[in-house]
Amino acid sequence: EVQLVQSGAEVKKPGESLRISCKGSGYSFTSYWISWVRQMPGKGLEWMGRIDPSDSYTNYSPSFQGHVTISADKSISTAYLQWSSLKASDTAMYYCARQVGAALDPWGQGTLVTVSS
Amino acid sequence: EIVMTQSPATLSVSPGERATLSCRASQSVSSNLAWYQQKPGQAPRLLIYGASTRATGIPARFSGSGSGTEFTLTISSLQSEDFAVYYCQQYNNWLLLTFGGGTKVEIK
Repeated sequence: EVQLVQSGAEVKKPGESLRISCKGSGYSFTSYWISWVRQMPGKGLEWMGRIDPSDSYTNYSPSFQGHVTISADKSISTAYLQWSSLKASDTAMYYCARQVGAALDPWGQGTLVTVSS
Repeated sequence: EIVMTQSPATLSVSPGERATLSCRASQSVSSNLAWYQQKPGQAPRLLIYGASTRATGIPARFSGSGSGTEFTLTISSLQSEDFAVYYCQQYNNWLLLTFGGGTKVEIK
């Protein structure tokens, strides 16, 4: 079974750093890109960017470029999304998803990030 | 950026009835369009890709149509488990994937 399993919920203070993870299993991790998608509370889906795990090539939505970093460790079939300095506006659910063609399937279960002083 | 616009924002439908959801692109995306279903507290699930191809395991009551800038998702006979939010997403521009704002299908 193809699965993406994400790390657990996080509660952080503004200015803190954070890295969340997404581990793939049941398929060749380096054969498919991984995308990250944000969903703010009560809102819709926003594509943030993606990574090719085979060579760590990334591209970002202009809305997120410079605010987050996407990386991957193919040796452990894991992709990451990280922030160097969180803001309250980063509070959201974050999903990873395998990119098949450019449709997203499957999705991870989501990681809730709460940023509050 | 290709802007995706979904309508209506909310659709009230009785179980067993047909639901028709619309998605419009600000420029042609050919058939590079996907539909997702998201239930409360769950991750989105791929329903349709290539505008009209059902993903693995998706029931035949879900169908997609359209190309260019106008797309439709039809649920032929709504079941209780189909009440959810539905999103369209274009992937014609591989460098910047974009989603519509979603249509909530609620029980009438």
